[in-house]
Amino acid sequence: DQQVKQNSPSLSVQEGRISILNCDYTNSMFDYFLWYKKYPAEGPTFLISISSIKDKNEDGRFTVFLNKSAKHLSLHIVPSQPGDSAVYFCAASELTGGGNKLTFGTGTQLKVEL
Amino acid sequence: NAGVTQTPKFRVLKTGQSMTLLCAQDMNHEYMYWYRQDPGMGLRLIHYSVGEGTTAKGEVPDGYNVSRLKKQNFLLGLESAAPSQTSVYFCASMGNHLYNEQFFGPGTRLTVL
Repeated sequence: DQQVKQNSPSLSVQEGRISILNCDYTNSMFDYFLWYKKYPAEGPTFLISISSIKDKNEDGRFTVFLNKSAKHLSLHIVPSQPGDSAVYFCAASELTGGGNKLTFGTGTQLKVEL
Repeated sequence: NAGVTQTPKFRVLKTGQSMTLLCAQDMNHEYMYWYRQDPGMGLRLIHYSVGEGTTAKGEVPDGYNVSRLKKQNFLLGLESAAPSQTSVYFCASMGNHLYNEQFFGPGTRLTVL
């Protein structure tokens, strides 16, 4: 049972445009959400996070939106740059669940074209 | 700081062989994790540790054992490798604070023939 879902395996956008990556979750106990970026042959690197007490968090070109009622979050990248081309993983955690374990989605491959 | 390092980077095993993957972190983090990544399945948690001397099972623990004898090291063992354990293995660590993120190592690509 996939508790964190990224239904788009891939996304292609033009440089300078907005990239929107989506993520849905089913476990209502999740209260902390993170986005990781992964280049080939490297480990994932943390990008941005949001707790369930917020509906938006912004860091430079990256903004994460959380809609708790819909159990949906999205990552906006604007403007998109060629260096943003990577796999993006959505992850969720229960802050009081013990062990701070993360449940990951299956990832979305973003390609930013010139 | 080297961050999180993993040894080895690549390994090929025959079915039934054993091996140990080593993860080391120099950030004095309490929590450490082992994940596997398979095509189309994201990262799945194998085992984790909330401190030196502790270990716990994750989502897919069967066929693996772990040990955390020292705070900075987290070992993942395969006693009798199977082709289903062909995967990329990632180690991660995290400090003991709320709203912390996990820091990942570069991964170990393991092939079991």
